[in-house]
Amino acid sequence: GQQLNQSPQSMFIQEGEDVSMNCTSSSIFNTWLWYKQDPGEGPVLLIALYKAGELTSNGRLTAQFGITRKDSFLNISASIPSDVGIYFCAGQTGGGSNYKLTFGKGTLLTVNP
Amino acid sequence: NAGVTQTPKFRVLKTGQSMTLLCAQDMNHEYMYWYRQDPGMGLRLIHYSVGEGTTAKGEVPDGYNVSRLKKQNFLLGLESAAPSQTSVYFCASSYLMNTEAFFGQGTRLTVV
Repeated sequence: GQQLNQSPQSMFIQEGEDVSMNCTSSSIFNTWLWYKQDPGEGPVLLIALYKAGELTSNGRLTAQFGITRKDSFLNISASIPSDVGIYFCAGQTGGGSNYKLTFGKGTLLTVNP
Repeated sequence: NAGVTQTPKFRVLKTGQSMTLLCAQDMNHEYMYWYRQDPGMGLRLIHYSVGEGTTAKGEVPDGYNVSRLKKQNFLLGLESAAPSQTSVYFCASSYLMNTEAFFGQGTRLTVV
């Protein structure tokens, strides 16, 4: 089946530093989504990407849909303590009964104040 | 606006017992999903529904059944729980296929 390789698995950074994480796959996706999960909560959507090459920002977050449609990255600038959490990428293919949303295994981000 | 509500939030089952997890959404969403989350595995799709009265298998459907009798509810059933089904279960819904999926807060299930 489809697999997403998300890296890094974990990051320990100082407050104020920039962060970059990415997802790659051998499969082509129609949509890339980036979620954040806080402890004890469900994932919350950060950014959605719908077109190859699309670059989208949401505050300090920037994400891009790779030209090949097989990868995506998420950047966080000037990190703050509340950025702590697990970040997931997700790639979507198909529609109707063939709909499929595949999640990466997550990147655990720790921000030291 | 409650969004996506899951019940119960925690449950401990003995091997072989059955139970049903309830997911309710008040956003009039067509699509609903059940995921399980295990350490180091990310989120894996169990079953999903593209509308009232429809269900489809996801990535890891074995040992689970689902029903979508009402548009706002999506039930996940375990007929005979096994320790391998110990996990955190998340329900999600979305208006359209490619749009944002809203997640519930999760159900932590332990099978002993």
